[in-house]
Amino acid sequence: ETGVTQSPTHLIKTRGQQVTLRCSSQSGHNTVSWYQQALGQGPQFIFQYYREEENGRGNFPPRFSGLQFPNYSSELNVNALELDDSALYLCASSQSGGLISGNTIYFGEGSWLTVV
Amino acid sequence: AQKITQTQPGMFVQEKEAVTLDCTYDTSDQSYGLFWYKQPSSGEMIFLIYQGSYDEQNATEGRYSLNFQKARKSANLVISASQLGDSAMYFCAMREPNTGNQFYFGTGTSLTVIP
Repeated sequence: ETGVTQSPTHLIKTRGQQVTLRCSSQSGHNTVSWYQQALGQGPQFIFQYYREEENGRGNFPPRFSGLQFPNYSSELNVNALELDDSALYLCASSQSGGLISGNTIYFGEGSWLTVV
Repeated sequence: AQKITQTQPGMFVQEKEAVTLDCTYDTSDQSYGLFWYKQPSSGEMIFLIYQGSYDEQNATEGRYSLNFQKARKSANLVISASQLGDSAMYFCAMREPNTGNQFYFGTGTSLTVIP
């Protein structure tokens, strides 16, 4: 148990629809990052939020957007879904946005998104 | 260029034997961190071991050890006394402060432990 909870665990959407994925971070963690993991690939960084501000973004189009709330939970929103958006979406929380750390970064179990 | 390269898509090991999973990395930074994660079919990333770029000793965590060769930019994971529960995907990853501390992951190695 990492204390990072993601919802929903599985969902199916139709191409063109919008989806919202949610992440509750570990207590006391102020940084949340999101990753997309396509089948057979390693996770790819989408973006990171630190104290409610986006402070890093990977190579993803603007239809991938996010929010972080005052309690440090976070949402990932994807608009105009495409078939290639089908993937496992992982959330990771940590205590600080600026430092490398060892075992203080916790991943959730992910949300499996299928776009048909 | 790939930041993390894992060249072994799949590996097999006999139960109770040791296995080495390869990882090479690419960075021009002096400060970085190297990680190994285990990912079972459920999807969760389980932290195994961490090596900081300034750490002089190889990291160890129970049956896991990291063979860190800085000059060769390699960070191989060694699992000793393999167990059936070790069967999973294994990912090598790196974080760099200068790129916002995002994780760069490799493509993973699928490990199967044979009874």
